[in-house]
Amino acid sequence: SQQGEEDPQALSIQEGENATMNCSYKTSINNLQWYRQNSGRGLVHLILIRSNEREKHSGRLRVTLDTSKKSSSLLITASRAADTASYFCATDKETSGSRLTFGEGTQLTVNP
Amino acid sequence: DTGVSQNPRHKITKRGQNVTFRCDPISEHNRLYWYRQTLGQGPEFLTYFQNEAQLEKSRLLSDRFSAERPKGSFSTLEIQRTEQGDSAMYLCASSLWGLNAFFGQGTRLTVV
Repeated sequence: SQQGEEDPQALSIQEGENATMNCSYKTSINNLQWYRQNSGRGLVHLILIRSNEREKHSGRLRVTLDTSKKSSSLLITASRAADTASYFCATDKETSGSRLTFGEGTQLTVNP
Repeated sequence: DTGVSQNPRHKITKRGQNVTFRCDPISEHNRLYWYRQTLGQGPEFLTYFQNEAQLEKSRLLSDRFSAERPKGSFSTLEIQRTEQGDSAMYLCASSLWGLNAFFGQGTRLTVV
């Protein structure tokens, strides 16, 4: 079963705008990771945030984690058409070793 | 290319045939994972290895599925007596002690 749930399921924005995607999960976690997937391709690792971290930045990406609400958000600033992809959060639960559990993803479309 | 490599990229097989996929992880990674992804869904965990030991198997991994990692390096996933419901993208990932899992491009299986 999927632990993470992404919100929204689909997001369409104009180039240059910011995109925010949210992820909620159900159980305590060790880490939360965000991945990008272009259509029909493998997953590209974007960023990992540990359960004791609250915010992390990487280039145009900003990830926040609120363990009290069991939620995370991914912000992409100054979006580009090349950012068009599906975005997944994946959690590593405390009791599951290193198994990653994925949500169903947010399909982001950035219109030029 | 030092990333995770999967072969073949595409496989079309007739129902009832056996298929085998190969995954070559990043060389210094000790953990290797197999996931399955169907259209519009996030990846679902199948199994993972730490070195040559298979440490966890999902209940999704029926008795028609078997995975091996004989020398703790590459891994194979075999599906026997394929069914149409096995059609999916099969993804392999590797990591060092469960952090920052990197995925291959996947093998897309179509059972006709």
